Amino acid sequence: QSSLTQPASVSGSPGQSITISCTGTGSDIGTYNYVSWYQQHPGRAPKLLLYDVSSRPSGVSNRFSGSKSGNTASLTISGLQAEDEADYFCSSYTTSTTGVFGGGTKLTVL
Amino acid sequence: QVHLQESGPGLVKPSQTLSLTCSVSGGSVSSGANYWTWIRQHPGKGLEWIGYIYYTGSTYYNPSLKSRISISVDTSKNLFSLELSSVTAADTAIYYCARDFNGYHIIDYWGQGTQVTVSS
Repeated sequence: QSSLTQPASVSGSPGQSITISCTGTGSDIGTYNYVSWYQQHPGRAPKLLLYDVSSRPSGVSNRFSGSKSGNTASLTISGLQAEDEADYFCSSYTTSTTGVFGGGTKLTVL
Repeated sequence: QVHLQESGPGLVKPSQTLSLTCSVSGGSVSSGANYWTWIRQHPGKGLEWIGYIYYTGSTYYNPSLKSRISISVDTSKNLFSLELSSVTAADTAIYYCARDFNGYHIIDYWGQGTQVTVSS
């Protein structure tokens, strides 16, 4: 199964907003709202940021938000902070009853 | 708070079988809501979903690895395990065990990960 497509890198200055896209197909993002986003700092395990496209687990800042249109999901981070510098991965459930991740996006806070 | 801890050899020889175990605390692998998952991350790369198991023993595997994978669960010891056969250098990665919240690929708890290197 092919992975979801994310930009390799994005950057922004503190206080700004950035958006990371995640493109799949009609067999995953296009069919289900089971899209999740994860944040991974170097040397650490990933952390769940969003699930079901736009729901936040307890404890996750409301600066993180998600949306979906067709086969593409998006993660927006508003009010960028230095601690947001990390890798971000999207994922989706698929029609094959499996899971698929995106290739990851490195966020640099300038 | 659910805690997951991977254990197993950090070095495996080519063509051999990689075996990892994930011990779960603070939660039960017998929970009817959760699926117990293995995910790996190649050096400097993205995440790859390997597969998951339900407490009944039902399994779902990544099609690209399906012929080499076996995931099992031991409810009496509250752990689950991964076996990956016929390994090559391409299987060198950090392996994470994790909890899928409801079977729809929402990973809410992760182990710290364990580095496995395939080398002679």
